[in-house]
Amino acid sequence: QVQLVQSGSELKKPGASVKVSCKASGYTFTRYGMNWVRQAPGQGLEWMGWINTNTGNPTYAQGFTGRFVFSLDTSVSTAYLQISSLKAEDTAVYYCARDVTVKPLDYWGQGTLVTVSS
Amino acid sequence: DIQMTQSPSSLSASVGDRVTITCRASQSISTYLNWYQQKPGKAPKLLIYTASTLQSGVPLRFSGSGSGTDFTLTVSSLEPEDFATYYCLQSYSTLFTFGGGTKVEIK
Repeated sequence: QVQLVQSGSELKKPGASVKVSCKASGYTFTRYGMNWVRQAPGQGLEWMGWINTNTGNPTYAQGFTGRFVFSLDTSVSTAYLQISSLKAEDTAVYYCARDVTVKPLDYWGQGTLVTVSS
Repeated sequence: DIQMTQSPSSLSASVGDRVTITCRASQSISTYLNWYQQKPGKAPKLLIYTASTLQSGVPLRFSGSGSGTDFTLTVSSLEPEDFATYYCLQSYSTLFTFGGGTKVEIK
């Protein structure tokens, strides 16, 4: 069965970096893209962008360029989200979600809470 | 970017009620509209894709309709497990966008 398992919660200081992982299983990793979604505390869902797992080409939503980087390690079927120069407003749960052309975001990871606090 | 406007932002309803949530796109998105359900502390779950196709395993009391700019999600008879927040997502553009969400609460 399809599973996306994300890395655990992170507590970081402002200015630091964090790398969140999303390990896929139950399907051929390079067949489907991977999306990233942010949810700030008590807020709605924000689509951050996606990465083509076949080519490694990322696409970023407005507001998620510069400090946010999507990457892959296809040898271990894992997608990564790295955020640099962390700010308090980056505090959120970050989700990965598989991208299928006609059924976008059909499977989701469990979410990773990133807390940025001094 | 395509903007998605959901309404209402919240509603109170009782078990057995029929509930309708709307989502409006800032431009035509054909039927590239998807609905998700999220319960507190959990990841969202895909309910409906391409405006009206029910995801496998989703109860038949959920239905979706619409095309172009106006879409609806209907729950024909609310069950206790349906109290949650619902989001629409447009996948017409290469840059997806979510609606702001609709919280369905118990009256």
